[in-house]
Amino acid sequence: GNSVTQMEGPVTLSEEAFLTINCTYTATGYPSLFWYVQYPGEGLQLLLKATKADDKGSNKGFEATYRKETTSFHLEKGSVQVSDSAVYFCAPLIQGAQKLVFGQGTRLTINP
Amino acid sequence: NAGVTQTPKFQVLKTGQSMTLQCAQDMNHNSMYWYRQDPGMGLRLIYYSASEGTTDKGEVPNGYNVSRLNKREFSLRLESAAPSQTSVYFCASSETGRGNTEAFFGQGTRLTVV
Repeated sequence: GNSVTQMEGPVTLSEEAFLTINCTYTATGYPSLFWYVQYPGEGLQLLLKATKADDKGSNKGFEATYRKETTSFHLEKGSVQVSDSAVYFCAPLIQGAQKLVFGQGTRLTINP
Repeated sequence: NAGVTQTPKFQVLKTGQSMTLQCAQDMNHNSMYWYRQDPGMGLRLIYYSASEGTTDKGEVPNGYNVSRLNKREFSLRLESAAPSQTSVYFCASSETGRGNTEAFFGQGTRLTVV
């Protein structure tokens, strides 16, 4: 079956630090890969996505590269801001699949 | 643009009471989902509906029922609430059969069962 393993949190960094949140997945077929972000008190919203191997998704300074050989989709940002404090979810979606499966989420706190 | 709308936003129930969480989307999506979010557990799928008239169980369906009333609406019912159902509930929708489409989420319903 499909599953996702995310880096356990919480993660606490200082402003302007480099961020990596690891994500590996197990899936049959060739999934599209997503990162969602949940800001305090809100629902999830799409942060970035990649639909095929070696694609790089990017948004708001965040990047993630679809690595088929390692079945990974690690999230990175070169210089985090306090406003990046949120919970981040990795999610593979199999083409034609009828349900989404999420990782357990990684809570990120950025201190000024 | 409303997107996915959930009601209510907050609810307190006594053990044994029943209630229905409502969800509606205006994006003409085929698929709709109900998740619960508990601390340290991420999002767990309760039920989903791939199209109007169909529903299927997710990871944690026990104690819940759903109705896909029409293409827009997907409700979640708790027949006899238990403290273990205290959680934040999210509804989501997406287009089925297109692997690169995103899911859109409602703002959540915070439910407390005492």
